Amino acid sequence: GESVGLHLPTLSVQEGDNSIINCAYSNSASDYFIWYKQESGKGPQFIIDIRSNMDKRQGQRVTVLLNKTVKHLSLQIAATQPGDSAVYFCAESGRYSTLTFGKGTMLLVSP
Amino acid sequence: DSGVTQTPKHLITATGQRVTLRCSPRSGDLSVYWYQQSLDQGLQFLIQYYNGEERAKGNILERFSAQQFPDLHSELNLSSLELGDSALYFCASSVGDTPSNYGYTFGSGTRLTVV
Repeated sequence: GESVGLHLPTLSVQEGDNSIINCAYSNSASDYFIWYKQESGKGPQFIIDIRSNMDKRQGQRVTVLLNKTVKHLSLQIAATQPGDSAVYFCAESGRYSTLTFGKGTMLLVSP
Repeated sequence: DSGVTQTPKHLITATGQRVTLRCSPRSGDLSVYWYQQSLDQGLQFLIQYYNGEERAKGNILERFSAQQFPDLHSELNLSSLELGDSALYFCASSVGDTPSNYGYTFGSGTRLTVV
């Protein structure tokens, strides 16, 4: 499928490295945050979420960190694999609002 | 397969024409959301329906409209199409009317090309 990441910031890593993808969000009232993964030709896929009453949450090989003071979110992927190559989006929402997506970061993993 | 079904997968049409995109939400989900994804604008929220009623509106043009039917499927109608409307259109669904617990489930999208 056609890439959606032609104008996106790109992070290139080697297989086995740890990856860190960052996101700055804009709305200080946002209280729910999600990281999505989008592979070429597919829709965004849920990876991990975090609420504003937490600053860290871990999943399988992924960790999300939330810094509300500077409105910053990061996604850490441990032991990055070629299958992790995709565009990663952060998304935020307030209590009664819909999800607002960031611009996205393309992750390229070399074998 | 996410459980959200979008048809058609690809659509090529001429400027000035009208098209309808269809979405069936995941079983049990009452909310349907439409997003537009273009290369330079990322994922832009268009509109949300919850159990048949419009719940939220985003950056949706007046030439665009949507509805959700009693069986909960939704259609997005795009009219007087312009070259700039070429994009991926995604439908997503969720159980409730807010993105709590796992956010939204997305379909695989409809790629619209206006020539």
